[in-house]
Amino acid sequence: EDKVVQSPLSLVVHEGDTVTLNCSYEVTNFRSLLWYKQEKKAPTFLFMLTSSGIEKKSGRLSSILDKKELFSILNITATQTGDSAIYLCAVEGNAGKSTFGDGTTLTVKP
Amino acid sequence: DAGITQSPRYKITETGRQVTLMCHQTWSHSYMFWYRQDLGHGLRLIYYSAAADITDKGEVPDGYVVSRSKTENFPLTLESATRSQTSVYFCASSERTPNEQYFGPGTRLTVT
Repeated sequence: EDKVVQSPLSLVVHEGDTVTLNCSYEVTNFRSLLWYKQEKKAPTFLFMLTSSGIEKKSGRLSSILDKKELFSILNITATQTGDSAIYLCAVEGNAGKSTFGDGTTLTVKP
Repeated sequence: DAGITQSPRYKITETGRQVTLMCHQTWSHSYMFWYRQDLGHGLRLIYYSAAADITDKGEVPDGYVVSRSKTENFPLTLESATRSQTSVYFCASSERTPNEQYFGPGTRLTVT
């Protein structure tokens, strides 16, 4: 059975802090790992990672995958209140079948 | 409207009733998915489809039925609704795999 575990489950920080969100997985026929942001509505895409060691970056957000150790991290630097959301990690296997973790709820206080 | 839409957005139904949630996408994406999200949890895959007339079970398919006669539509039917099926349901589509999925706005279903 495919499994994705995210940690921590929740996190409270102050604006300007840097946070690291973790995602570990066990999946048959790994094809990709994806990060989504969910703000009280539908999830929106952040990153897709398929190769180990290659960092994906978008503004203050970055992510990297370690296929040997079966985990990924999502970093957010200089956090803002607008970063408050649930961050979801998903691992995709064959035919697009995706397994999601329970998410990390990030709260950024002013 | 372009994109992916779901209807209804909110639904209250009684235990034992049949209810169908609709999902429509305008991109002609091959892959479509149904997820449920319960409070405090991530998304759990109910059913997915790689193309018209091709569907497969996900993690939690019991009590649900899907069909996909046209590429753009992927309805989800609860044959006899139970209280445990109270949840938010998201439909998603993807052009290919592996690839990001585009999510609809969700349907909040309450079974009384």
